[in-house]
Amino acid sequence: EAQVTQNPRYLITVTGKKLTVTCSQNMNHEYMSWYRQDPGLGLRQIYYSMNVEVTDKGDVPEGYKVSRKEKRNFPLILESPSPNQTSLYFCASSPDRQGYEQYFGPGTRLTVT
Amino acid sequence: GEDVEQSLFLSVREGDSSVINCTYTDSSSTYLYWYKQEPGAGLQLLTYIFSNMDMKQDQRLTVLLNKKDKHLSLRIADTQTGDSAIYFCAESKSNTGKLIFGQGTTLQVKP
Repeated sequence: EAQVTQNPRYLITVTGKKLTVTCSQNMNHEYMSWYRQDPGLGLRQIYYSMNVEVTDKGDVPEGYKVSRKEKRNFPLILESPSPNQTSLYFCASSPDRQGYEQYFGPGTRLTVT
Repeated sequence: GEDVEQSLFLSVREGDSSVINCTYTDSSSTYLYWYKQEPGAGLQLLTYIFSNMDMKQDQRLTVLLNKKDKHLSLRIADTQTGDSAIYFCAESKSNTGKLIFGQGTTLQVKP
C-alpha cells in the first residue's frame, strides 16, 4: 500500500532529551516535508527536501534538524526539545520536486514537559 | 502576503449539499488544494485544482475557482455523516512547495 509512515505516533518526553521522529514513504517521491499543527496557528512548514541530500528551511525551522540521506526517509530531529515544541507533527511527500500534490502521514503527537 | 481564510464552522443535514468557501491572497499560487482531516487522523488530499482552471469535478466533489476574486470553494453533493471532518483549503508556493493552509472549516453533518 502506498503510504507515508511516521514513528512514533505518540511521544511524551522531557526538556533537553534528544529525539528523532522518523518519516518514510514507499512511493519513490522526490519531495518530502515536515509541518507542525498548533491550535489557532494552523499548519506551518518546518523543513522540506526536494531531493536526496538537498534540504531547506521552512517557516519555523528553529530547534529542528532534518536529513535526507536516502530518498524514502526524512527524519526530524529535535536535539534539545523544549515545551514550545509540543505539537502535532506531520510528514508529507510529493511525486513532484516542486511539491505539488503532497500526501500526508498520520501525524506524531509530541508532548515535551 | 500569505493568508488563506476560511469560515470555521458549517452545519448541514444529511443528503443536502455542503459548500465550503476559502479566500487566498497570493495570486502567484499555482495549485490550490482541499484536504480533509478526521479526528485523530492525518490530512487526506481530497482534490486540487490548477490555477488556470475554473472548475474541477470528482464524483461528489466540485471545486470552483474564481481567480479574479481569489476565491475557492468545495461543494460536496449528497453530504453523508461520514463527511463530518475538518476541511482545509491550501495554496502552494511554486518555488518551495510550501503549503499555506487556512484555519480549517469544521463540517457537521446532522442525520
